[in-house]
Amino acid sequence: QVQLVQSGAEVKKPGASVKVSCKASGYTFPSHYMHWVRQAPGQGLEWMGAINPSGGSTSKAQKFQGRVSMTSDTSTSTVYMDLSGLTYEDTAVYYCARDPTHLTQIPNYYFDYWGQGTLVTVSS
Amino acid sequence: EIVMTQSPATLSVSPGERATLSCRASQRISSNLAWYQQKPGQAPRLLIYDASTRATGIPARFSGSGSGTEFTLTISSLQSEDSAVYYCQQCDNWPWTFGRGTKVEIK
Repeated sequence: QVQLVQSGAEVKKPGASVKVSCKASGYTFPSHYMHWVRQAPGQGLEWMGAINPSGGSTSKAQKFQGRVSMTSDTSTSTVYMDLSGLTYEDTAVYYCARDPTHLTQIPNYYFDYWGQGTLVTVSS
Repeated sequence: EIVMTQSPATLSVSPGERATLSCRASQRISSNLAWYQQKPGQAPRLLIYDASTRATGIPARFSGSGSGTEFTLTISSLQSEDSAVYYCQQCDNWPWTFGRGTKVEIK
């Protein structure tokens, strides 16, 4: 069965960076785009960006351009999301989520499997 | 970017009754819409994609309809385990955006 397992909670100071990992199993890892979505406390969902785990190409929401980096390691079936210049407004649960479409086709841009979430708290 | 507006913000429904949730897009998105269910402390779960196709393992009491700018999620006979927040998401136009959610409570 498909599983996405994320790294544990983080506490960071303003201005710092955080790196969240997402390890995939149960399917052919490089064959599906992986997205990152975040949710601030008590708030809705916000799409941050996506990565092609095979080639490494990425697409990022305008809001996060210049601050977010997404990478993949096919040897360990893991994707990473690195967010820099943290502010209090970046306190949120960060999710990785799989696009169901195979890379040989046009992505669907919805998300069929989600990681359990990683809470990132920005606090001085 | 496309703004997704969900209504109502909260819906209180008795067990066995029908729940109807609405989602409106600020511009036409064809049928490129997904619905998710999120329970407290859990990740969202995909319910519906392409506006009306149930995801794998989703009970038949969940159904989606609509196209263009107006969409509906219907829970035909509400069960206690359906208490959750429901989000719509447009997958037509970058960046992919979500509504603010409808909270479904059991009366």
